[in-house]
Amino acid sequence: GQSLEQPSEVTAVEGAIVQINCTYQTSGFYGLSWYQQHDGGAPTFLSYNGLDGLEETGRFSSFLSRSDSYGYLLLQELQMKDSASYFCAPLSFQKLVFGTGTRLLVSP
Amino acid sequence: DGGITQSPKYLFRKEGQNVTLSCEQNLNHDAMYWYRQDPGQGLRLIYYSQIVNDFQKGDIAEGYSVSREKKESFPLTVTSAQKNPTAFYLCASRTRRGREKLFFGSGTQLSVL
Repeated sequence: GQSLEQPSEVTAVEGAIVQINCTYQTSGFYGLSWYQQHDGGAPTFLSYNGLDGLEETGRFSSFLSRSDSYGYLLLQELQMKDSASYFCAPLSFQKLVFGTGTRLLVSP
Repeated sequence: DGGITQSPKYLFRKEGQNVTLSCEQNLNHDAMYWYRQDPGQGLRLIYYSQIVNDFQKGDIAEGYSVSREKKESFPLTVTSAQKNPTAFYLCASRTRRGREKLFFGSGTQLSVL
């Protein structure tokens, strides 16, 4: 079976650091991806972890621990434009399901 | 430019009517996916196809149908059996090689008249 959990909402101020957690149970798991979606738009790819550890891409980093079935997305130096929904997507060779998403609200 | 094109951007359905949402990609991707998104909610998988002439049901396939006669095209039909079709529909694709990344179309907003 599959299960996926993310917090529903996170709030932070500009310049802060925020972490969005994701726990999963996925058959045939081989990696974890993260996507960003602004209201009314399509999701866009942010990062991918195929191995345990931290991947850094500019202000965004993502972490994976296979043994814990856990990952997180870390956003640093938050900007107003980072206000969006963030989805984790555990990857398997067949189905590709998304979490319910975490709505990030960045305030001045 | 390569990408995924969804049409129309907005679509209205009358009671008892079937409607078809178009999804075309020129990325030479093998796998294609259809998701439904309700306001403030996540993406739920309707159908997916990993190769031409083959497709599988996702988590919420009831009331929907698809075909995959060409690699480039993966149309979704919302049938009259789908009693609550109002939602934002997203089509996506990925390669086998770069399988960690999905490319999304811009979506179709379907509403019931």
